[in-house]
Parts: sequence; structure tokens; C-alpha cells
Amino acid sequence: EAQVTQNPRYLITVTGKKLTVTCSQNMNHEYMSWYRQDPGLGLRQIYYSMNVEVTDKGDVPEGYKVSRKEKRNFPLILESPSPNQTSLYFCASSATGGHTEAFFGQGTRLTVV
Amino acid sequence: QKEVEQNSGPLSVPEGAIASLNCTYSDRVSQSFFWYRQYSGKSPELIMSIYSNGDKEDGRFTAQLNKASQYVSLLIRDSQPSDSATYLCAVKLTGGGNKLTFGTGTQLKVEL
Repeated sequence: EAQVTQNPRYLITVTGKKLTVTCSQNMNHEYMSWYRQDPGLGLRQIYYSMNVEVTDKGDVPEGYKVSRKEKRNFPLILESPSPNQTSLYFCASSATGGHTEAFFGQGTRLTVV
Repeated sequence: QKEVEQNSGPLSVPEGAIASLNCTYSDRVSQSFFWYRQYSGKSPELIMSIYSNGDKEDGRFTAQLNKASQYVSLLIRDSQPSDSATYLCAVKLTGGGNKLTFGTGTQLKVEL
């Protein structure tokens, strides 16, 4: 089954404690991205990757890091989480091309206290 | 001006009625348009995509695109309570790579 898998689904952490949210896709997609979703603000892109070892900032990259060492994996790293990073996070992947759809992971609800 | 705008709703329609969801976008080089449905706390799932002016139908859903007016809409016929969700409009720009820009979504409530 074609899917994007994120882990964990729920995470409560304390300010400043480094964390990683994993994302893996089995569709051999080149393009992967991370979004955060906040009430009234919609989905905003954090980082994206066009292919292995190619990453770039999205619209709200501050406080986040990513890596793309393998085509299937695109982890999101919060080196020093802060309460304003409390949000619902989605990983997405798509094939390259103008008319291709994005497939989303199940989401990770992160709370930073 | 926001790049992709939607009325946040809620839009309430009775069961069996037609729900009409609207979206406007600001960038004239937008090339691909997508409607995603999102249930509360769940991930977005694709409902329809449309790339050319006109209508595209799939079952109870019809997407309409008017590039001259920079307007895309989604019609849901015979609305069911299970259609109650937030509908996200997303736009992909020509030359923008694979980036999707989302509206903030319209909440639809289908009432019995």
C-alpha cells in the first residue's frame, strides 16, 4: 500500500529538549516536504526536499532542521523546541511534475511545555 | 493579499443539498489546483484536481476552474453528513517546483 508514515503520532516534550519526527514514504517520490498546521493559519511549509541531499527552506523554517540522506526518509529535527512550535505537523511526498498530487502522512501532534 | 483565499465558514447545508466551496488565488502563473478534504485531527486527502479551465466531475464532486477570474470552486452534490469536514484549496505555481500553497480551509457542516 502506497503511504507516508510519520512517527510519533503524539509527542509532549519540554522546552529545549531536542526531538526528531520521522517521515518515510514507499512511493519512490523525489519531492518531500514538512508542513505545520495551526488554527486560522492553515498549512504552512517548513522545509522541502527535491531529492536526496537537496533541501531548502519553506515559508516558516526558523527553529527546524531537516535532512535527506535517503530518498524514502525525510526527518524533521527540532534542536531546541519552544512552546511556539506546538502544532500539528504533516509530512508529504509527491512525484515531481506540475500536476502531481501530494500524499500526506498521518500527522504528528506536538506539544512543547 | 493572501496567495490562496477561502471563506473559513462554517458553511452549513442540509443533507441532500448542493454544497458550493470557493477559492481565489492571487498568482496568475498558477497551474494546478487541488481540493483536499480534512477531518478534524486527520491528514488531508485529495478529493479533486483540475488543471484546465472548465468543469471536472468525479462522482458527486465537481471542480470548476476559471483562470481569467483566478477562481476555483468545488461543488458537492447530494451532500451527506459524512461530507462534514474542512475543505482545503491548494495551488501549485508554474515554475514553483512541487510546492503547494494552501488556503486556510472552509469548514462544511451537513445537517440532518
